[in-house]
Amino acid sequence: SQQGEEDPQALSIQEGENATMNCSYKTSINNLQWYRQNSGRGLVHLILIRSNEREKHSGRLRVTLDTSKKSSSLLITASRAADTASYFCATNAGGTSYGKLTFGQGTILTVHP
Amino acid sequence: EPEVTQTPSHQVTQMGQEVILRCVPISNHLYFYWYRQILGQKVEFLVSFYNNEISEKSEIFDDQFSVERPDGSNFTLKIRSTKLEDSAMYFCASWGATEAFFGQGTRLTVV
Repeated sequence: SQQGEEDPQALSIQEGENATMNCSYKTSINNLQWYRQNSGRGLVHLILIRSNEREKHSGRLRVTLDTSKKSSSLLITASRAADTASYFCATNAGGTSYGKLTFGQGTILTVHP
Repeated sequence: EPEVTQTPSHQVTQMGQEVILRCVPISNHLYFYWYRQILGQKVEFLVSFYNNEISEKSEIFDDQFSVERPDGSNFTLKIRSTKLEDSAMYFCASWGATEAFFGQGTRLTVV
C-alpha cells in the first residue's frame, strides 16, 4: 500500500500567501513528520506530530493530524520566496520499525516574490 | 549542531563496478538508515541498522547491497555490481530521540 501521499503535487503561490499541503496514509502510525528538501539537497526535518496529537505549531508552520481520516496537513503562513522547496510527509509505524520512515511523493512549492 | 555527513557528494561509476558510499552518523545515535531517491521520485527506505546488524530491509535491498559499521563511527553502503537503475541520490540518516537526521546525500550516477 502507498503511504504518505501528498496533494497537491505542485503548488505555486505569491509571497505573503499561505500554503497548505495535505498528506494521506493507509496504515496505523506512531508519528508523522514533515520534511523539506531544497532542489538536489538533503532532507531537513520540519516538525513531528504524534498519533495522539491533533495539532502542532512551530514558527510559521502548523501541522494537523486526523487519525480517523488518516490524513495530515502542513500550513505555511506568510510564505517567503525562501520557502520554495519540495515538502514531504513521512510516517513512522513505531514498534519493530523503530525510526523507519515511509515517505510520500512530495509537494513542490514555488513561492513567487 | 551535530550533523550527519556523507561522502562523496557525487560519484560517477561504470556499470558493473562496486561502489561504497560513506556516512558518519551523529555520534551518540544508535539507529542508522539508508534511503534512496531516484530523480523526481519519492524517498525510499533501503535498510535500518542497529547494534551492528540489519534490523529491517526493503525489497530493494537485495544481495547486491550490503551495509557495515566498520569502525564504530563510519556507516557504509556497498553496491557490489552497479546497474544503471541504481543511479539515485542516497541518503544516510541516524535517529535521535524523536527525529531522523539526514545527511546531504551522495548522488550516484551509473554510466
